[in-house]
Amino acid sequence: GENVEQHPSTLSVQEGDSAVIKCTYSDSASNYFPWYKQELGKRPQLIIDIRSNVGEKKDQRIAVTLNKTAKHFSLHITETQPEDSAVYFCAASGPGGGNKLTFGTGTQLKVEL
Amino acid sequence: DGGITQSPKYLFRKEGQNVTLSCEQNLNHDAMYWYRQDPGQGLRLIYYSQIVNDFQKGDIAEGYSVSREKKESFPLTVTSAQKNPTAFYLCASSISIASNEQFFGPGTRLTVL
Repeated sequence: GENVEQHPSTLSVQEGDSAVIKCTYSDSASNYFPWYKQELGKRPQLIIDIRSNVGEKKDQRIAVTLNKTAKHFSLHITETQPEDSAVYFCAASGPGGGNKLTFGTGTQLKVEL
Repeated sequence: DGGITQSPKYLFRKEGQNVTLSCEQNLNHDAMYWYRQDPGQGLRLIYYSQIVNDFQKGDIAEGYSVSREKKESFPLTVTSAQKNPTAFYLCASSISIASNEQFFGPGTRLTVL
């Protein structure tokens, strides 16, 4: 089945700096890659996703890049703000896994003032 | 994601007891999912259902059972056979299993005393 690895597990940045979180996946047939943000004690919420026919997608301060050849994708947050502090999860899915999402282990992002 | 609810928010159980977690959605979604979340391990799939009266085991189904008698409801029973049930349980739904994007409920925190 699919295996998703996520790094780093914790990340501290100064307010205004950029943050990058990286994930790798194992199944070359995977074709959908979402990123979820989870604040403490709350539900995960989708912040951005990308499909395998696209190399990059942006939404204001958030961007995701996908390298299908290397089987890795990354989340980029620019001009970080304190409210960006949360746990971020990547995930992957595709027909090889019955279209079920396989999640990474999460990255605790802390934006310091 | 406002259309998917879970109850109760907190649940305490004595060892040896079965307990049922509720998940309801009014989004008219066909697919529903149950995940378990432990610190540092991301979200792991317990069971999922693609359609009413049908469900399949996920990666960690042992000690759990589900039913899908109605489209709106997908309850999860944590049985006494689950050796380490203390965790945060998240229910999710999607239009179909092929639609990929999942919406999460607020979660139930189960503690075994």
